[in-house]
Amino acid sequence: QKEVEQNSGPLSVPEGAIASLNCTYSDRGSQSFFWYRQYSGKSPELIMFIYSNGDKEDGRFTAQLNKASQYVSLLIRDSQPSDSATYLCARRDRDDKIIFGKGTRLHILP
Amino acid sequence: KAGVTQTPRYLIKTRGQQVTLSCSPISGHRSVSWYQQTPGQGLQFLFEYFSETQRNKGNFPGRFSGRQFSNSRSEMNVSTLELGDSALYLCASSLSLQNSPLHFGNGTRLTVT
Repeated sequence: QKEVEQNSGPLSVPEGAIASLNCTYSDRGSQSFFWYRQYSGKSPELIMFIYSNGDKEDGRFTAQLNKASQYVSLLIRDSQPSDSATYLCARRDRDDKIIFGKGTRLHILP
Repeated sequence: KAGVTQTPRYLIKTRGQQVTLSCSPISGHRSVSWYQQTPGQGLQFLFEYFSETQRNKGNFPGRFSGRQFSNSRSEMNVSTLELGDSALYLCASSLSLQNSPLHFGNGTRLTVT
């Protein structure tokens, strides 16, 4: 199965700053993309999904998709210590399977 | 609305045994997917069911199997357990196939000794 690539981190960001999480993928047939947050010992929870090129905003979160560059990102504004978690990028492939990256660990420094 | 329910939450088995995990999706969700999560490999796709039919299968050996019932509840079975099967097994449901996100249950933590 085609990969979803994420930097494993940890990514350390000061409280109140913008955290930028990036993801690349290799299958141009991917139609929709998802960001999940996973706290240690918990299951993944959906933050956002996006399937059109451009930006999608929801509160402090903005997802950005560039299909030509095969790149999707998640911006977290006004980062809070409670945002410290692993962020999983995922894509739905041509067969409708959802494939996950291995995640980026984010650490918000108080 | 109740979320995805997985049972049991924890299991300890010995090598060679078999195990069955259960998943009840969110009401109205007809698609159920199963994933294995380990620290080294991350979330690995096992299989997906829709309307009692397996629509997709990941790259796991035949010891891993599953099924879905008419009420959308799903089970997965692992036979002849190996130490490497120790993992968090996550079930997720979705409303439909196209563009729908997955909603995860709390998972079943399987330890094989």
